[in-house]
Formats: sequence, structure tokens, C-alpha cells
Amino acid sequence: QSALTQPPSASGSPGQSVTIFCTGTSSDVGGYNYVSWYQQQPGKAPKLMIYEVSKRPSGVSDRFSGSKSGNTASLTVSGLQAEDEADYYCSSYAVNKNLLFGGGTKLTVL
Amino acid sequence: EVQLVESGGGLVQPGGSLRLSCAASGFIFSDYSMNWVRQGPGKGLEWISYISSSSSTIHYPDSVRGRFTISRDDAKKSLSLQMNSLRAEDTAVYYCARQPQSLARGIDYWGQGILVTVSS
Repeated sequence: QSALTQPPSASGSPGQSVTIFCTGTSSDVGGYNYVSWYQQQPGKAPKLMIYEVSKRPSGVSDRFSGSKSGNTASLTVSGLQAEDEADYYCSSYAVNKNLLFGGGTKLTVL
Repeated sequence: EVQLVESGGGLVQPGGSLRLSCAASGFIFSDYSMNWVRQGPGKGLEWISYISSSSSTIHYPDSVRGRFTISRDDAKKSLSLQMNSLRAEDTAVYYCARQPQSLARGIDYWGQGILVTVSS
């Protein structure tokens, strides 16, 4: 099964909002509310930012929000801050119970 | 505090074997499913194995099925990954990662990762 599709890069100025999209199929993103988003700072382990499409773990800023429409999920970062600069990965479970990741999006704060 | 600490990485020749371990602490290990996820140099994340809390369910992607074996020892709060027939493309940082019972919850904790290099 192929990885989920993400744009390789995204950018925004401090204070702006930026949305990162993650496209799958009806066998993964579109078929289940099992979409998660992870933030990875350079040289660090990934950190869970969003689970179950739109829920935030305790301690994650409410500037991060998630949604889904059809086979495409999205992560929106509002009020961009320098510390948000990182790689972001989406993931989804698929019909065969495999876990799929997107290729990752490098978010740059201009 | 939840901690996942990987060990066992290093340099191995193509065709060789390596066994990774992950020591868990700070939570009831037997209540959680676990995963191994890897990240090749400069590349994205790739899930490579899953084991349920009871070890009754195990999954692998095609890329490692038949070569890698995941296992757990709840008494020792330990997760393992036996890797055989290693290839150059298996070179990556390998993460041990915790999975709550509900798949919807995502992978909520990750270890710091351990580097595996497959090269002659």
C-alpha cells in the first residue's frame, strides 16, 4: 500500500495560518477516523499533535487543529510561531490494519 | 513519566542479523500495543511492525514481512525486533512507539530512536 500524499513543503509568516494536506484513499484516510499528525523537530523523535482526525493530546497548543473531508485530511497551524518550524507527518490506519504515513511536509516560518 | 529506550543498534553487513530491544517504563506496559517505526536518512517515517497488548495480533508491511519478527515480554516490560537478511535499504533510525488500545488514538509516545546501518 502506498504512502499518503503530502506536499514536501509549506511556509507562512509569524502570526499567519498554514494548512497542510494529506491525501489517501477510501481504504485508509477516507474510510476511518484514524488520522493522526506528528511534529518532528530536527534530530528528535516525532511528537503526536492530533489524533482521531481532530483531537489534541493534553499539552498540545490549540493553535493546532485537524479535519478531514473525503480522502483528504488537513492540519492547520494558526498564529504561526518560530517554534512551529518542523517536519509534519500524517498517518492513517488502512483497511488491512497497516499503518501508513505521509511523506512529510517541511514547515518553514518565514 | 513514560519512557521508551531502544538499544541494540549498530553496523551490520548486508545479509546479517540484528536484534533491537526497547525498555519501557512509566506505564503499564501490558495494557498497550506497540510498534516499530523507522526513518531512513533524510527520509520520512515508515511503520514496520505492530504487536497487540496480548501478542495475539501481529502485523508487518510487505517490505519487512518474513525478515523481521516483533515480540514482547510483558514481565520484563520489553519490546524486541529481530531483523534478519538485512539490506542496505534497512539503514535507518528505528523507533519503539506506544500504541493505545484504540487505533484512533495514534502513536502517543516514541523512544529516542536507535541507528541501524547496513553496510559492508
